[in-house]
Amino acid sequence: GENVEQHPSTLSVQEGDSAVIKCTYSDSASNYFPWYKQELGKRPQLIIDIRSNVGEKKDQRIAVTLNKTAKHFSLHITETQPEDSAVYFCAATDQTGANNLFFGTGTRLTVIP
Amino acid sequence: IAGITQAPTSQILAAGRRMTLRCTQDMRHNAMYWYRQDLGLGLRLIHYSNTAGTTGKGEVPDGYSVSRANTDDFPLTLASAVPSQTSVYFCASTSSRREVNEQFFGPGTRLTVL
Repeated sequence: GENVEQHPSTLSVQEGDSAVIKCTYSDSASNYFPWYKQELGKRPQLIIDIRSNVGEKKDQRIAVTLNKTAKHFSLHITETQPEDSAVYFCAATDQTGANNLFFGTGTRLTVIP
Repeated sequence: IAGITQAPTSQILAAGRRMTLRCTQDMRHNAMYWYRQDLGLGLRLIHYSNTAGTTGKGEVPDGYSVSRANTDDFPLTLASAVPSQTSVYFCASTSSRREVNEQFFGPGTRLTVL
C-alpha cells in the first residue's frame, strides 16, 4: 500500500517569512495529492491539491509543487500570518481502485507574531 | 442538515461495551470514509465505502465494522471497545465517480475507552 512521510513534524517561523513542508510517497502510480489544514479542535479542511499531470499549483500565498520522478511534493506558504498556525497534513491516493487517501503524520506550524 | 455531521460529539465508554458512531451527509456523495486520528500518527483509514451497499477495509480495520445501507449514512461500530480505541474519529465523504476529489470531513467524535 501507499506510504506517505512528512517533514518536519514541527515548524516555527516569524510572521512574514515563508514556510515549507515536504512529503514523500511510495506508490509511483499515485495521481492526487491534497493538503489539509487542521486548526486546534477542528476538522481537517482542504487548502490546495495537485494532480499528477501538473508540476506546480498556486493559490494566493499557498503553492504546491510535485516531482513525480523523485516521488515528493511540497507545500509552500509565503508571507505567513498568525492565522496560518495549524497542523498541516499531506496525503496521496493509492491505486487499488478505491482512490483512498493515505496521510502523512502532520506538521505543526507556528507563526510567531 | 448541511454537509456532513457526526454523533455523538464525545463519549466515554467502558471497555467491553458496544458503541456505534454515526455519520450522515446530505451532499449525495458516493464515497464515505472513517478515519481515526491519534497524536503523532496523523489520520489513518479504518473502513471505506465507494457506494451504497459496498464497504472495504482500510489501514486499521480490526475491531471495527461498518455498513452502508443508503447513500447518506455510514455508521461505524465498535463491537467490544478496548482502551487502544481511544481516539478522535472523523468521517469523510467525496464524490469520486470520475476522478479523485476533495474529501469533506465531519466535525469528529472524541471517544475515550476506560
